[in-house]
Amino acid sequence: GDSVTQMEGPVTLSEEAFLTINCTYTATGYPSLFWYVQYPGEGLQLLLKATKADDKGSNKGFEATYRKETTSFHLEKGSVQVSDSAVYFCALSKGGNNRKLIWGLGTSLAVNP
Amino acid sequence: DTEVTQTPKHLVMGMTNKKSLKCEQHMGHRAMYWYKQKAKKPPELMFVYSYEKLSINESVPSRFSPECPNSSLLNLHLHALQPEDSALYLCASSQGSGIVNTGELFFGEGSRLTVL
Repeated sequence: GDSVTQMEGPVTLSEEAFLTINCTYTATGYPSLFWYVQYPGEGLQLLLKATKADDKGSNKGFEATYRKETTSFHLEKGSVQVSDSAVYFCALSKGGNNRKLIWGLGTSLAVNP
Repeated sequence: DTEVTQTPKHLVMGMTNKKSLKCEQHMGHRAMYWYKQKAKKPPELMFVYSYEKLSINESVPSRFSPECPNSSLLNLHLHALQPEDSALYLCASSQGSGIVNTGELFFGEGSRLTVL
């Protein structure tokens, strides 16, 4: 079946460090891919998305490129801030009439000043 | 600001109480969802309403009872819960079916439930 695999955390970085959180997927067809972020004590927010191969999603300095050849959607940011401390979830969806989002297990990021 | 509004933000209830969680969206979305989330874990799907009809029930215990009074509102009625039901309950919405639906979910801030 369809699945999403994320690198395990927690990830701890110093402010201004480079961030990569790996995400790979297994799915038939052409899923859409998402990164959601959850800040402490809050709900989930969509961070970025890509709906077809080679699309690059970007938001708030974060980027991820939909790579069909490697079935990956790695999240990157060039210079993290303390305010980026959160849990990051990679997810995929078949869309259309399929209502189920397939989630990765989440990666907790802590950024120290 | 989130366009999916959930109330209450926090709820404490005993195992014999009856309470309800409420969710509202005004984005014209035709699918609404209830998810349950434990700390730092991915959300677990509970129910999906599509065009105001229950389309998915992920084998949720009957002590959780969803209701969709209209296309903008979603309720979750709670009765005789257990302490292990303590969690963050998230409501979400998405566009209708077919090609317009990429699967993107719009989440509310959640209702944090504690069952004593």
